Amino acid sequence: GAGVSQSPSNKVTEKGKDVELRCDPISGHTALYWYRQSLGQGLEFLIYFQGNSAPDKSGLPSDRFSAERTGGSVSTLTIQRTQQEDSAVYLCASSLTGSLYGSYTFGSGTRLTVV
Amino acid sequence: GDSVTQMEGPVTLSEEAFLTINCTYTATGYPSLFWYVQYPGEGLQLLLKATKADDKGSNKGFEATYRKETTSFHLEKGSVQVSDSAVYFCALSEGTGTASKLTFGTGTRLQVTL
Repeated sequence: GAGVSQSPSNKVTEKGKDVELRCDPISGHTALYWYRQSLGQGLEFLIYFQGNSAPDKSGLPSDRFSAERTGGSVSTLTIQRTQQEDSAVYLCASSLTGSLYGSYTFGSGTRLTVV
Repeated sequence: GDSVTQMEGPVTLSEEAFLTINCTYTATGYPSLFWYVQYPGEGLQLLLKATKADDKGSNKGFEATYRKETTSFHLEKGSVQVSDSAVYFCALSEGTGTASKLTFGTGTRLQVTL
């Protein structure tokens, strides 16, 4: 597609429920990244995919968080048993050759609110 | 580990004023440096970048110079406009090879008034 698409744009969920956030990167972009932006905080790295594998998942805050990428394209970030501190904007980005040489293209994010 | 420190916001300026947003970094190697901008209601966009010492990145009247000796990458614009009102993020990447993550600062909100 023309840009990075994320869905849903907004999600309100009850504490303890599971949620799935979807990212559809730019076609042909091999690298895909998930970040989290909390109110008053900067952007926090969560996980990075190169193709379908995740060489760096060091930013996932707990084992309630997982992510997968299939077909070198769409990625899903899953949060199990959501907690109120999970409330944030979850951003996805993709890049062609990696951040060293180029730049990321970010999606508009999914705003997650856990009530 | 890598880190980026930005000046606290919000920064409020009158139109046509000079802008400086300070950014300093800590990194073990020789990172690439970036400024991203987030306009109200929109996603993050790359504003400019520099990949080695003494490089100057520039775009839309903004510029920043990679200063290795002071580990800084300050953002400047000579004459801001109301449309520049946004949150600005400084970031670095130490990636080699295929890719790596960006490390972001906390962002600086700029408000430009008439």
